Amino acid sequence: GAVVSQHPSRVICKSGTSVKIECRSLDFQATTMFWYRQFPKQSLMLMATSNEGSKATYEQGVEKDKFLINHASLTLSTLTVTSAHPEDSSFYICSAPRDGFNTEAFFGQGTRLTVV
Amino acid sequence: QKEVEQNSGPLSVPEGAIASLNCTYSDRVSQSFFWYRQYSGKSPELIMSIYSNGDKEDGRFTAQLNKASQYVSLLIRDSQPSDSATYLCAVTNAGKSTFGDGTTLTVKP
Repeated sequence: GAVVSQHPSRVICKSGTSVKIECRSLDFQATTMFWYRQFPKQSLMLMATSNEGSKATYEQGVEKDKFLINHASLTLSTLTVTSAHPEDSSFYICSAPRDGFNTEAFFGQGTRLTVV
Repeated sequence: QKEVEQNSGPLSVPEGAIASLNCTYSDRVSQSFFWYRQYSGKSPELIMSIYSNGDKEDGRFTAQLNKASQYVSLLIRDSQPSDSATYLCAVTNAGKSTFGDGTTLTVKP
């Protein structure tokens, strides 16, 4: 199956600092990638749609100035959590569909962010 | 009403039994349906995809889709302890996936 690699898998940062998470499609080109957030014992909530070469589309209630998304190439999207606070601590997961817009998504390994 | 609803868990079955997981969705124009398995602390992994009405079988797994009833299910035959995980139902429209809250399955040896 297609491989989506996400890095880092785990990060602990101090409140007020910024953290960058990378999502790479290793064996296919992804014009679109999705970023999700998952709190403990809850489902995945879509944060934003990352579009190669254009601005990301954010879901309602997600602060675009806080969660910066850059999709500069067909294989890489980054999510930067700026001025992180403890309430931003969560499991962040990226995904990309390989074969078409409504086909199954391949997920990265996820990033466990802890803000102290 | 949630866009994607799954039967509340947790669900516990003995080893070798059939586990039945259910999901309903609200958007009648939905075209693509998926079941993912998620182990604690890990990302979801695809189990089954189904796009048309009827049954789709893959090994011990069978997905069933009924678009008229807006219902999709997953049956796991001969359940194994390694099947113990949270199962997420996902509905995809225009590339966006909406997930249910998940059903946690425990298969007891």
